[in-house]
Amino acid sequence: QKEVEQNSGPLSVPEGAIASLNCTYSDRGSQSFFWYRQYSGKSPELIMFIYSNGDKEDGRFTAQLNKASQYVSLLIRDSQPSDSATYLCAVNGDMRFGAGTRLTVKP
Amino acid sequence: DVKVTQSSRYLVKRTGEKVFLECVQDMDHENMFWYRQDPGLGLRLIYFSYDVKMKEKGDIPEGYSVSREKKERFSLILESASTNQTSMYLCASSYPSGGDGTDTQYFGPGTRLTVL
Repeated sequence: QKEVEQNSGPLSVPEGAIASLNCTYSDRGSQSFFWYRQYSGKSPELIMFIYSNGDKEDGRFTAQLNKASQYVSLLIRDSQPSDSATYLCAVNGDMRFGAGTRLTVKP
Repeated sequence: DVKVTQSSRYLVKRTGEKVFLECVQDMDHENMFWYRQDPGLGLRLIYFSYDVKMKEKGDIPEGYSVSREKKERFSLILESASTNQTSMYLCASSYPSGGDGTDTQYFGPGTRLTVL
């Protein structure tokens, strides 16, 4: 069975710090990688997708992909209390999800 | 804006009842998915569909069936509800992968099902 693993946390960072979220996957043939954010009681919503090795930046968010190490990460710079949520990593169009990492940003 | 709707936000059923969960999307997406979400277990794929009348089992299909008679509608059926099917059920839809994020999934608001 294809697996997607995330450190379940919870992860707590002070406001303004960098939050680092990690995800590993088992299927070497995986092509597309997604990070979703899920606020408590809400549905997941897309933050970023990444297909190519390296970094992809969007505002305060940076996704990093290393296919050789089967590793994808999400960095959140200048973390804000509004970033407090569960972050889900997903792999491929058939969408296997990790269990999620709960992030708390403390004012 | 993509809209995915689910028939109920909250549902309470009794053990042994047949339960229908409906999902409708308005973006002409080919792909539709049903997940359940439980604390500590994340999102687990129950069934998905790549086209009308097509269905594929996900990781936990036991006790569930699905129906997709029209492109915009994907139904999840619990043939005989059991207490271990108490969960949050999420529907999602997407286009097929085009290498440009087109396979981003859009989720409905979820149905919290309680089986007594």
